[in-house]
Amino acid sequence: QVQLLQSGAEVMKPGASVKVSCKASGFTFTNYVIHWVRQAPGHRPEWMGWINAGNDDKKYSQRFQGRVTFTRDTSARTAYMELSSLRSEDTAVYFCARGPYDGSGYWAYWGQGTLVTVSS
Amino acid sequence: DIQMTQSPSTLSASVGDRVTITCRASQSISSWLAWYQQKPGNAPKLLIYLASTLQSGVPSRFSGSGSGTEFTLTISSLQPDDFATYYCHQYSSYSLTFGQGTKVEIK
Repeated sequence: QVQLLQSGAEVMKPGASVKVSCKASGFTFTNYVIHWVRQAPGHRPEWMGWINAGNDDKKYSQRFQGRVTFTRDTSARTAYMELSSLRSEDTAVYFCARGPYDGSGYWAYWGQGTLVTVSS
Repeated sequence: DIQMTQSPSTLSASVGDRVTITCRASQSISSWLAWYQQKPGNAPKLLIYLASTLQSGVPSRFSGSGSGTEFTLTISSLQPDDFATYYCHQYSSYSLTFGQGTKVEIK
């Protein structure tokens, strides 16, 4: 079955960078786009962008442009999201998500989420 | 970015009630709309995509309708497992956005 398994919770200092991983199983990793979505406590989800696991194309939300980097390791079937220059407002649960084969931007499969806490 | 506005923000209902949640887009998104259910501590769960297509495995009491700028999610007979927060999500533009959520509470 399709699974996305994310790395564990992180506590980071302001100004630091965090890297979250998302390991895929149960499907052909390179046939799909992986999206990243975050959700601050009590807030709506917020889309961060996507990476095409096959051809390495990427699209970043303007809101995070310049601060976020998506990468992937096809041999490890893993996608990564790195967010730099962290501030307290970046405290949130970060999710990876996978949509359908046609690349449409809705997501039936989600990772379990990774809580990133930014605190001095 | 396309703004998505849901109403109401909170809804109190009883088991067996028919429940309707509305989502409005700031510009036309055709039928590029999904609905998710989220419970505390969990990832969102896809209910509906393409405005009215029921995701596999989702109970038929959930239905979606609308196109352009106005959409609805209907639960025909609310069940105990349905108390949760519901989000609409547009994927029409290159920048994907969500509504602010509707919390369905027990009356």
